Amino acid sequence: AQKVTQAQTEISVVEKEDVTLDCVYETRDTTYYLFWYKQPPSGELVFLIRRNSFDEQNEISGRYSWNFQKSTSSFNFTITASQVVDSAVYFCALRVYGQNFVFGPGTRLSVLP
Amino acid sequence: DSGVTQTPKHLITATGQRVTLRCSPRSGDLSVYWYQQSLDQGLQFLIQYYNGEERAKGNILERFSAQQFPDLHSELNLSSLELGDSALYFCASSVGSGGDQETQYFGPGTRLLVL
Repeated sequence: AQKVTQAQTEISVVEKEDVTLDCVYETRDTTYYLFWYKQPPSGELVFLIRRNSFDEQNEISGRYSWNFQKSTSSFNFTITASQVVDSAVYFCALRVYGQNFVFGPGTRLSVLP
Repeated sequence: DSGVTQTPKHLITATGQRVTLRCSPRSGDLSVYWYQQSLDQGLQFLIQYYNGEERAKGNILERFSAQQFPDLHSELNLSSLELGDSALYFCASSVGSGGDQETQYFGPGTRLLVL
């Protein structure tokens, strides 16, 4: 069975600090996809990134970066120079062939001014 | 804005009642997914429709049902409502039948409160 763990329930940082959100997944499949979504206070779920299991190259998009390590089954998300607008709940999700999305429990990030 | 629309945004009803939630997918998307987000259960997949046909089923109660119409919009029907059904209900859409590589784009959600 598939499982996603986000051990950090809540994180608080001060603006401009860097913060890393952890995601650990479990699957026996060799082909799978990992996702990150952001849920701001307004409630909608915003897609951030998709990564397939064969591509371990790290990705950077502005202040966001993702570190995918198959050896540790982790897909961590770092926000550099955090801003108040980054305050949200962040979900990591896993999908394998023929199965439904499995979401982690989410990490609530509060960025204080 | 993901392009997925959901109505209504908020819904307040009483136990035992029936409600219908509506979702319109992004233009060109053929799959619609329904999710329930509650405080104790997190994000739970309910059901997926692809081009009018049921494609996958998750943790959907028998009191709940859904359908996808020829114009690809979808409705989620919740009946005999209980207090525990209070949650945020999301609709998502994707372009194809839901292969593992497909990204799902989520609507703004319908917040249901059962009193």
